[in-house]
Amino acid sequence: AQKITQTQPGMFVQEKEAVTLDCTYDTSDQSYGLFWYKQPSSGEMIFLIYQGSYDEQNATEGRYSLNFQKARKSANLVISASQLGDSAMYFCAMRDDQTGANNLFFGTGTRLTVIP
Amino acid sequence: DAGVTQSPTHLIKTRGQHVTLRCSPISGHKSVSWYQQVLGQGPQFIFQYYEKEERGRGNFPDRFSARQFPNYSSELNVNALLLGDSALYLCASSLIGGGADEQYFGPGTRLTVT
Repeated sequence: AQKITQTQPGMFVQEKEAVTLDCTYDTSDQSYGLFWYKQPSSGEMIFLIYQGSYDEQNATEGRYSLNFQKARKSANLVISASQLGDSAMYFCAMRDDQTGANNLFFGTGTRLTVIP
Repeated sequence: DAGVTQSPTHLIKTRGQHVTLRCSPISGHKSVSWYQQVLGQGPQFIFQYYEKEERGRGNFPDRFSARQFPNYSSELNVNALLLGDSALYLCASSLIGGGADEQYFGPGTRLTVT
């Protein structure tokens, strides 16, 4: 069974600084996808970045990058140059790409607060 | 283009009642998934529908049911509501619902059971 672990309930970062949000996962599958979503207080889940298990390069999307270490089963999110609008809940999620279904398994999330 | 829409935004129900939540996917998307997010936790998968057929089901009791219509919109039904059903219900749509297909989430319906 798939499992996502986010060990940081809350994180603080100074505006314009970089921050790393931790995520480890557990799966016996060879083909899977890893995602990060941002959830502001409004509730909507906003897609940030995706990493496939066979991707050799770490994914990047603007200020977001995913530090993928397959042997350690970790997929940490790095946000560079933090902005006040980055304050939100952040969820790491995994999808099993072998079943043909599209269901995501989410961690418990990390609340990020950006300090001016 | 319009994103995923959900209705209603909020609703309050009493224990034992029934509720129907609605979701309209992004135009051209044929797969809809439903998730339950209890306060303080990550979303938990309930159902996935693709081309009006159930493709996946999470670990939820039979009180939860769903369906997808020919226009790809979807309904989530919950019978005999319990206090523990209070949560944010999220709908996500995707093109084909598999492989490297990205899911786009709606704003959610916040259900309170009293």
